[in-house]
Amino acid sequence: KNQVEQSPQSLIILEGKNCTLQCNYTVSPFSNLRWYKQDTGRGPVSLTIMTFSENTKSNGRYTATLDADTKQSSLHITASQLSDSASYICVVSPLAGTASKLTFGTGTRLQVTL
Amino acid sequence: KAGVTQTPRYLIKTRGQQVTLSCSPISGHRSVSWYQQTPGQGLQFLFEYFSETQRNKGNFPGRFSGRQFSNSRSEMNVSTLELGDSALYLCASSPSGQEETQYFGPGTRLLVL
Repeated sequence: KNQVEQSPQSLIILEGKNCTLQCNYTVSPFSNLRWYKQDTGRGPVSLTIMTFSENTKSNGRYTATLDADTKQSSLHITASQLSDSASYICVVSPLAGTASKLTFGTGTRLQVTL
Repeated sequence: KAGVTQTPRYLIKTRGQQVTLSCSPISGHRSVSWYQQTPGQGLQFLFEYFSETQRNKGNFPGRFSGRQFSNSRSEMNVSTLELGDSALYLCASSPSGQEETQYFGPGTRLLVL
């Protein structure tokens, strides 16, 4: 069964600190992996997308890494800001061209405090 | 381009009632998908529509139904509401041929009392 597991479930960090969120997947075959940011009460917004051949992808202070051999990905947030407080969802696609096969993690809830 | 819009944003219903949620995709997107999101469960796939045809359906009871119109707008309906249907319902649209690329709307928060 295709699964995506994220850790930790929740995280509290001080503003300005860095943090790393983890995503392990057992989805096969593999097409791509996305990280989404979801603010409370809003829809998810894509941060990064990586295909099999990509190891790292950055979007501002967000850097995602992918190890396709171990089926692990991480999202590193640098110099966190209060606006980074949100849920971060890892999504793996086994096939291009269909939404029905997307496998979603349950997310990591990040809270950035003063 | 305007993003995906969903109406209404919030709804309160009682058990046994039915509800209809609406979604307008990004202009030019013909694929629309619906998801149910509950705490701890993450996003659960409900339906996927393309050109007015339901292409895929998730593992939900028949009380959950949907449709897509010729202008790509979509609606989903939940009949005989149960307490467990309380959730955030998200709609997403995709460019043709890139259905795994989901652009999400803000969601409709449904509370069933």
